Amino acid sequence: QSALTQPASVSGSPGQSITISCTGTSSDVGAYDYVSWYQHHPGKAPKLMIYEVSNRPSGVSNRFSGSKSGNTASLTISGLQAEDEADYYCTSYTSSSPVVFGGGTKLTVL
Amino acid sequence: EVQLVESGGGLVQPGGSLRLSCAASGFTFSNYDMHWVRQVPGKGLEWVSAIGTTGDTYYPGSVKGRFTISREDPKNSLYLQMNSLRAGDTAVYYCARAPKYSIHYCDFWGQGTLVTVSS
Repeated sequence: QSALTQPASVSGSPGQSITISCTGTSSDVGAYDYVSWYQHHPGKAPKLMIYEVSNRPSGVSNRFSGSKSGNTASLTISGLQAEDEADYYCTSYTSSSPVVFGGGTKLTVL
Repeated sequence: EVQLVESGGGLVQPGGSLRLSCAASGFTFSNYDMHWVRQVPGKGLEWVSAIGTTGDTYYPGSVKGRFTISREDPKNSLYLQMNSLRAGDTAVYYCARAPKYSIHYCDFWGQGTLVTVSS
């Protein structure tokens, strides 16, 4: 199972908005509304930010939002803050596996 | 409070075996699917295995036939038996919980345990 495709890095200034894309295929992202996003600060446990494309778990800021169009899902972070600097990963359910990860995107807050 | 605590990591020689454990607390363990996810140093997260409440197991091709996930519900414990270890298996291994009826994502994660495969 190939990993989902994410940009290696994105950056933005405090207060700005950024979007991270996650491209899969018609066997994963395009087939199911089972895309999730995780925030990972090095050395810490990953944190669920978005599940099932656009749902936010309790306690996650509404500055984080998710969407999907065709085989590509997106995570948007608005009002960037310094603490948002982290690695972000998307995942999807697939026709052959319950989970496949994206390669990860390093977000830098300038 | 949900807690997942991994243990059992360490240094092992190529070709060797290691068994990881994950102690769960703060929820009814038997009602939840569970996952192992790893991060190779300098690389991204990689899904390693999953086990359902009824014992169904799932693996990616990279570990299938070498790794075995299991659970012991009376002990609130998850395990990962890793055999024929390779240098490429060196990683931090995380235990993670999937919400009820939603094996496709993880809502709580442990802090991880480091496995180093080296001679």
